[in-house]
Amino acid sequence: DAGVTQSPTHLIKTRGQQVTLRCSPKSGHDTVSWYQQALGQGPQFIFQYYEEEERQRGNFPDRFSGHQFPNYSSELNVNALLLGDSALYLCASSTRTGVSYEQYFGPGTRLTVT
Amino acid sequence: EDKVVQSPLSLVVHEGDTVTLNCSYEVTNFRSLLWYKQEKKAPTFLFMLTSSGIEKKSGRLSSILDKKELSSILNITATQTGDSAIYLCAVEPNNAGNMLTFGGGTRLMVKP
Repeated sequence: DAGVTQSPTHLIKTRGQQVTLRCSPKSGHDTVSWYQQALGQGPQFIFQYYEEEERQRGNFPDRFSGHQFPNYSSELNVNALLLGDSALYLCASSTRTGVSYEQYFGPGTRLTVT
Repeated sequence: EDKVVQSPLSLVVHEGDTVTLNCSYEVTNFRSLLWYKQEKKAPTFLFMLTSSGIEKKSGRLSSILDKKELSSILNITATQTGDSAIYLCAVEPNNAGNMLTFGGGTRLMVKP
């Protein structure tokens, strides 16, 4: 049983560009959450998707947007990249009614903005 | 706004030592506190503590929740080099649907 997978593993972009990160949840999970982890800091909640809709959102600007597909996979889009967007982006999957410890994290995508 | 603070920021010990990591929190309508270990990228779950389950133990690791002081500790006894990692503390409010607020983490290095 594959766990949470994310692609790509690493990505280098230039300021002002746009980026799309992808996440496939663990089998049986229907909810996907995205977190941003800057170097030396803990993960920060960006948003959560369930039933193809954004259900909760953290304190992130509208440049951060997402999407969830019918197969529960998800994308995170970031527009007009800033140097400060450089971070490890983690995807976590769970079930809508599950407990928090049953939330599994993917290996992340390391985004570098130059 | 929910807040989690971890201390120390980093710690270097030798194999066999015992370490205590600290986590303090402010959260509206507390539901649970979780500890994670992050070795390379994906945080992996260690413990969940709630108002009805304030102490957990697994092997050399144990954790206690102090509801009065709004804090938690993670103890690791007889440390091994494989314990080297970042340890993350997170809190979850009620009705938050698994949305977690993390602390900044404690980086632990265990030397042979």
